[in-house]
Order: sequence, then C-alpha cells, then structure tokens
Amino acid sequence: DVKVTQSSRYLVKRTGEKVFLECVQDMDHENMFWYRQDPGLGLRLIYFSYDVKMKEKGDIPEGYSVSREKKERFSLILESASTNQTSMYLCASEYSGSSYNEQFFGPGTRLTVL
Amino acid sequence: AQSVTQPDIHITVSEGASLELRCNYSYGATPYLFWYVQSPGQGLQLLLKYFSGDTLVQGIKGFEAEFKRSQSSFNLRKPSVHWSDAAEYFCAVGAWGGGSYIPTFGRGTSLIVHP
Repeated sequence: DVKVTQSSRYLVKRTGEKVFLECVQDMDHENMFWYRQDPGLGLRLIYFSYDVKMKEKGDIPEGYSVSREKKERFSLILESASTNQTSMYLCASEYSGSSYNEQFFGPGTRLTVL
Repeated sequence: AQSVTQPDIHITVSEGASLELRCNYSYGATPYLFWYVQSPGQGLQLLLKYFSGDTLVQGIKGFEAEFKRSQSSFNLRKPSVHWSDAAEYFCAVGAWGGGSYIPTFGRGTSLIVHP
C-alpha cells in the first residue's frame, strides 16, 4: 500500500515564526502536492512538484514556499507564519507513469498560528 | 478556469436508505472527474473517477457515479448507506497541469447517517 506520512498531526506556532511541514511518500511517486483545507472552502492547491527540484505554483501560493531535494520528500515552508494560515494542510503523491491519476493523501497536519 | 459546485453542504440519511450526492462542474474541454471521501481524522481516498467511455462508473465501497454531459453533472450514488459511510465527500474536476491532471475540488458535502 502507498503510504504518505506527514511529520506532525498537530502543530502550534506563533505569528512570525518560520514553519516547516514535511511530507514523505514511500512509493517512488514523481508527483507531489500540498493543499490546505478550510471548512466550507474544500481543498485548495498551494504548490505541486513533478520531480526533484521542480515546483509549480498552485492556486494560493502566496505566503508559502516549497522544497523538493529528494524524490520522496516534499516540504512546505511558511517563511513568516500568520494567523490566516491556521488551517489543515494535506500532502498528496501520485504516480505519473499511467493515466490512472489517483492522488494518495497523508492524514494532514492541523496548524494553529497564534 | 474549471470549477466544481457541490450544492449540498450537509446530507442526512437513515442507514439502509439510498444516497445521491450532487456535483456540477464547469470545464471547457472533456472533463476528468473524481469523487474522493474523507473519513474523520483521515486524508482523502479516491472513490472513483471518470475519464472516458461508459458514463456510469463503479467505484469502491459500493459507490457509483454517472457522468451527464448535457447537465454538466457527475452525481455520486449508493443504493444502501451504511453507518461507516458517514464522512466528507469531495467532487473534483481535473485539468492538465503539464504532468498530471490537477484536481480542482468542490467545497465538499458532509454525510450524516442516522441509525
């Protein structure tokens, strides 16, 4: 089974702190994604990556950056956390070699910025 | 740009009753459509998807969905709901992002199942 793990289930940070959210997948998937999930808004794409050291902006990249130094790991960075970044963050990975296009999701990190 | 509308925020059904969750999409080309489910405290799991071919798609856990191009809809159905189906359901439409079909998600429908 594909396993996508996220470094923390719950995280509390203060305004202005630099925050790292880590995501690791164990199935050698090329594609990886970061979403944020807010009540009533569904999932919104922040960034995605098709390969190591590649990144593409999603719909809401402002205030975020990403890093993909290794194929299995995709990090989301909040350079200076703000209260409006309090949210659930979901990571997903996907195999690019077929047309199946199924994303496999991690359990999420619930981030609270005080 | 593509978009998805799930008109029902909450749906309440009795266990054993049938279920239909509505989804309408907007996309200029042939749509790639998905339904995902999120159980409490979990990430999302793919239920089913439509790319082409038969417009009635079978998925996991006894779910099916029907693509109707004329109505721009992709409604999810189940003939008999189980208590374990209580979850959040997301419809999504995929647009080509250069290396994958990137899903745009609807806002979700929360399913409540009464015993």
